Amino acid sequence: NAGVMQNPRHLVRRRGQEARLRCSPMKGHSHVYWYRQLPEEGLKFMVYLQKENIIDESGMPKERFSAEFPKEGPSILRIQQVVRGDSAAYFCASSRPGALISGNTIYFGEGSWLTVV
Amino acid sequence: GQQVMQIPQYQHVQEGEDFTTYCNSSTTLSNIQWYKQRPGGHPVFLIQLVKSGEVKKQKRLTFQFGEAKKNSSLHITATQTTDVGTYFCAGPGYGGATNKLIFGTGTLLAVQP
Repeated sequence: NAGVMQNPRHLVRRRGQEARLRCSPMKGHSHVYWYRQLPEEGLKFMVYLQKENIIDESGMPKERFSAEFPKEGPSILRIQQVVRGDSAAYFCASSRPGALISGNTIYFGEGSWLTVV
Repeated sequence: GQQVMQIPQYQHVQEGEDFTTYCNSSTTLSNIQWYKQRPGGHPVFLIQLVKSGEVKKQKRLTFQFGEAKKNSSLHITATQTTDVGTYFCAGPGYGGATNKLIFGTGTLLAVQP
């Protein structure tokens, strides 16, 4: 959904550098999700955040990856010391307050494509 | 852990033929959602099904939610080249993971004009 804004759309990093991906949720949405999609694969959940709070980071790799959603500004997914295996599309999604099991749904941004060379 | 599988992985059809993708969850789902992702694009929400046995239609697309709420299907009648893309089903996690959507493995549809 065009309302979820992600940048940069494309990012090239050398091995060992840091990658920062930003996501601004749709207006009225306070929940942010990050998903990763490896080439030719499905969408894998990484982390779910509300403002100033990480709710579920069960899909985040244990090292090098971190996420935040500050009180002001976009959510940021940070990947330190990138390796070639980090090359993927990273999608941010947002939703209104409310449980997914109650019928709430999420809307995706256009993604950030990270290439590690 | 919870798994959501889709079959087939890939389907190639001639324009005008019908297409169906099936989604099966290892656990009961409170609701199921369908997304379409065009090549190089992002997932776009199509529809949500909530009730057991529910059937919903969007023009040439028909969505069904199984009676046991563990499976679902998407049927496209008379495919067009604009239908090309990967179709994903997704459902909320269970137990302590209800705050995330678990996506199916996806079905890639290719339509030959």
